[in-house]
Amino acid sequence: SQQGEEDPQALSIQEGENATMNCSYKTSINNLQWYRQNSGRGLVHLILIRSNEREKHSGRLRVTLDTSKKSSSLLITASRAADTASYFCAKSRSNDYKLSFGAGTTVTVRA
Amino acid sequence: SQTIHQWPATLVQPVGSPLSLECTVEGTSNPNLYWYRQAAGRGLQLLFYSVGIGQISSEVPQNLSASRPQDRQFILSSKKLLLSDSGFYLCAWSKGGGNQPQHFGDGTRLSIL
Repeated sequence: SQQGEEDPQALSIQEGENATMNCSYKTSINNLQWYRQNSGRGLVHLILIRSNEREKHSGRLRVTLDTSKKSSSLLITASRAADTASYFCAKSRSNDYKLSFGAGTTVTVRA
Repeated sequence: SQTIHQWPATLVQPVGSPLSLECTVEGTSNPNLYWYRQAAGRGLQLLFYSVGIGQISSEVPQNLSASRPQDRQFILSSKKLLLSDSGFYLCAWSKGGGNQPQHFGDGTRLSIL
């Protein structure tokens, strides 16, 4: 299975601090995607990073990918209460319609 | 713009009863469609996906089936629900394969009594 593992499982930070979560995987990938899920809702796509890319930014989000270590990280800078959610990484192999989701990191931002 | 609708939002069903969850997509044509199940506090398990009308791929052998009677309609069914079918069911669509983002509905919370 390509299912990645997010680390940590849970993270609690103060508003304004940065939050970093990691995702590891076992086999080669075509791309890696990060999603956010607010409690009781569907997932929202955040960033897609391709296997030939090393870093991508979107607003306060920064994603890195290290294919030699088979790992990715998501950094949320200057966190806000609205960032409280679960964050999932999802891996895609070449020529595959499917994504393999990890178990997620639950982030709580304290006001 | 594209939208995805799932209904119902919540459902409580007795063991042994049938199930039909519906998902429709608007604003795009020939999307790839996906059904996932999410256990409490866990990641997503892919149940079925479809790349076209009548084309269904099953990922996990189980008590459920899926159908795609129209281009933008995806239905998840069961003839007899089990307690283990409880969970949060999510429908998603994408344009293209795994190299494209997936867009999710707001899910159906299914409780089996």
